Amino acid sequence: NAGVTQTPKFQVLKTGQSMTLQCAQDMNHEYMSWYRQDPGMGLRLIHYSVGAGITDQGEVPNGYNVSRSTTEDFPLRLELAAPSQTSVYFCASSNNFEGQGYSPLHFGNGTRLTVT
Amino acid sequence: ILNVEQSPQSLHVQEGDSTNFTCSFPSSNFYALHWYRWETAKSPEALFVMTLNGDEKKKGRISATLNTKEGYSYLYIKGSQPEDSATYLCAFRRDNYGQNFVFGPGTRLSVLP
Repeated sequence: NAGVTQTPKFQVLKTGQSMTLQCAQDMNHEYMSWYRQDPGMGLRLIHYSVGAGITDQGEVPNGYNVSRSTTEDFPLRLELAAPSQTSVYFCASSNNFEGQGYSPLHFGNGTRLTVT
Repeated sequence: ILNVEQSPQSLHVQEGDSTNFTCSFPSSNFYALHWYRWETAKSPEALFVMTLNGDEKKKGRISATLNTKEGYSYLYIKGSQPEDSATYLCAFRRDNYGQNFVFGPGTRLSVLP
């Protein structure tokens, strides 16, 4: 059971380049989300999805796009990378939808992105 | 924007010491409060899920309490060990914020042997 798998682990981009961070989970979780971690700050929510075909914005969505074509995958796309997007990115999933209790988030191992 | 605070930001204790830290969150529209342990170079892992005022959870030497009326949760570590060194995160979920959590900035604990 792999849990939540993120790729790549590290990435360096130049300003203006594009890339997609991949996230996949094999736990059949409906809820998936992307966070960024910056020094001195808590994990901040970028985008989230409550099921295939459904996505919504979190606290810091600007500069990022997501899609959810399957239950398993939730990629995060940076269209025009900027130095302000240098951060560590975490994907997380849970079985925490309404009426199902209070399952915790399961995190991937993170992607360290540097934009120069 | 919700504000979730944690204190202290960091602390250093000697092996065998007991310690505690605080997570503060809005007292209205409470749904759940999670605690996560985050070791360096790893991903956060859930410690506790707390949902009711007065909840007390325990896992080995680590325990947590919850006060939803005043908006705080305490995490206690009894007899700290070097392997307890990590950042401890709390995450607050409000009942009208979808299924999303707001994380505090964390408390970084270093246990010195």
